[in-house]
Amino acid sequence: KAGVTQTPRYLIKTRGQQVTLSCSPISGHRSVSWYQQTPGQGLQFLFEYFSETQRNKGNFPGRFSGRQFSNSRSEMNVSTLELGDSALYLCASSLRTGYEQYFGPGTRLTVT
Amino acid sequence: AQSVAQPEDQVNVAEGNPLTVKCTYSVSGNPYLFWYVQYPNRGLQFLLKYITGDNLVKGSYGFEAEFNKSQTSFHLKKPSALVSDSALYFCAVRGPLGGNTPLVFGKGTRLSVIA
Repeated sequence: KAGVTQTPRYLIKTRGQQVTLSCSPISGHRSVSWYQQTPGQGLQFLFEYFSETQRNKGNFPGRFSGRQFSNSRSEMNVSTLELGDSALYLCASSLRTGYEQYFGPGTRLTVT
Repeated sequence: AQSVAQPEDQVNVAEGNPLTVKCTYSVSGNPYLFWYVQYPNRGLQFLLKYITGDNLVKGSYGFEAEFNKSQTSFHLKKPSALVSDSALYFCAVRGPLGGNTPLVFGKGTRLSVIA
């Protein structure tokens, strides 16, 4: 079975721009979660979706948004990028909410 | 709200010796506990989980973890460390499914196994 895939793997953006990251879960998995990983803050929870519904949301500003499609694929969007948004963004999928999560390789976002 | 503490930023152990990576948690109700490992420039890999049942849980690559409800701990252990075990280890917890709580990760512990 193919694992979780994330595109793009690397991204360089300028402050003020917006970015969209994509995640394709493992086949059959209906729950997708997003995390931001930075050296200083560790792994911070962003969103959790199940069957196109947002189940949980972390403490991030409204510039961070996400959605899940009917095929369980998910996207997250960050508008008006700031330097502090530079991070590794990880997507994880699971069969259902609460089950163990399987992570993708991440998207490395650099904001200049 | 649930939380996880990994009190050690770094753990050093000699190859062949037993290793322990510590984790304590705080959650309302029965916890769902997980350990993940992250190798350089890669995503997190699931190691093991505790949901219910036997307090000693066995996982991938020879790792195991012991759930201790009275001490609210879920320490990761391995009887004999390998150099290839060197990586960043994360403990994570979420509350009971009925509470619909997200998965919360600890800060991570960097394990270094020295040959």
